Amino acid sequence: EAGVAQSPRYKIIEKRQSVAFWCNPISGHATLYWYQQILGQGPKLLIQFQNNGVVDDSQLPKDRFSAERLKGVDSTLKIQPAKLEDSAVYLCASSRGLGSRGADTQYFGPGTRLTVL
Amino acid sequence: KQEVTQIPAALSVPEGENLVLNCSFTDSAIYNLQWFRQDPGKGLTSLLLIQSSQREQTSGRLNASLDKSSGRSTLYIAASQPGDSATYLCAVSGGADGLTFGKGTHLIIQP
Repeated sequence: EAGVAQSPRYKIIEKRQSVAFWCNPISGHATLYWYQQILGQGPKLLIQFQNNGVVDDSQLPKDRFSAERLKGVDSTLKIQPAKLEDSAVYLCASSRGLGSRGADTQYFGPGTRLTVL
Repeated sequence: KQEVTQIPAALSVPEGENLVLNCSFTDSAIYNLQWFRQDPGKGLTSLLLIQSSQREQTSGRLNASLDKSSGRSTLYIAASQPGDSATYLCAVSGGADGLTFGKGTHLIIQP
């Protein structure tokens, strides 16, 4: 079974530029998550999708971040314009979305390391 | 707001020792608790998932316990090996399924 795929693996941009990250979850997984991990911190949930609908985006800075999951499969996360404090690793995860809370393991991709100069 | 704390922040022990990593959380209304391993430059690997109705889970040399009422979990690693060196993250799930993570314990096993 292929794991969660993310691209690019690394990205360096200047502040105020735009950037987009792509995620392909494990086949058949209904739930997809985007996390932000700042150096020395644990990951922080940005947005959660169930199929192509948003379940939770309460911690997504909506003035500059946006995400979509078309057709309930792949997802993109965009930052526009980027700030210095957006430098972090952006992790995508997926789970089966069993509907039975508590029993659903999340599988993580390798992440995209973003550096904003 | 849920907060997760992990102690210690860093730990270095000789190979072969048994060790315990600690995790505490402020809101006991959780659906599950998970322990993850993170290697440098890589994503997270799920080690153990304990549902809120369970007390512990075991996988090989790893054993995780959960005391939901007191807001605590421990990860026990038996007979540590250099390959166990990594950052260990504790995370809890409540409400929607998104996880709240601690900052992790950076573990070094000395050969």
